[in-house]
Amino acid sequence: DVKVTQSSRYLVKRTGEKVFLECVQDMDHENMFWYRQDPGLGLRLIYFSYDVKMKEKGDIPEGYSVSREKKERFSLILESASTNQTSMYLCASSLTLGIQQETQYFGPGTRLLVL
Amino acid sequence: DAKTTQPTSMDCAEGRAANLPCNHSTISGNEYVYWYRQIHSQGPQYIIHGLKNNETNEMASLIITEDRKSSTLILPHATLRDTAVYYCIVRVGNNDMRFGAGTRLTVKP
Repeated sequence: DVKVTQSSRYLVKRTGEKVFLECVQDMDHENMFWYRQDPGLGLRLIYFSYDVKMKEKGDIPEGYSVSREKKERFSLILESASTNQTSMYLCASSLTLGIQQETQYFGPGTRLLVL
Repeated sequence: DAKTTQPTSMDCAEGRAANLPCNHSTISGNEYVYWYRQIHSQGPQYIIHGLKNNETNEMASLIITEDRKSSTLILPHATLRDTAVYYCIVRVGNNDMRFGAGTRLTVKP
């Protein structure tokens, strides 16, 4: 059974704070993803990583950075939190199977409120 | 650009089969159909996926029409815990996970 865990379920931060969201997966997956989910906008990809120390920008990377120092861990960093970053943040992971489709497995999510 | 169309909401009686339709008329030959669900305030849960053939696992069955322009997710014996938003997604790339609005399924006692 794939397990993706996220460090916090709920988080409240102030504008301007640096925020770290941690994600850990226990299935030796190469690929890890960070999304945010907002009502009416669906899931939007922020960043993803295909390997340790590798990162690629998704659709909405502005205001975020990521870190992948170990295969099992993918961190999302909000350098200076703003109110428009209030959202549900979802981490996912998947295996690399060549050109075959890889199922993404999601963590429970972190609901972030920036005041 | 929505690749899939799903009804906004559906009801189902507990113990009955829930049949959730999805239209994907512009699907291309190498795109898979994926289904996820999301229970309130939780992360999306993978259910099933397929390319051409019908698929079944411990959670559900997926029926894909021969022309691949539509599919149906079947929960054979719905329970109250199946109440969730169900998303149908067509995708080809590893980072191509685009959730639409989905179908809100309510299972009623």
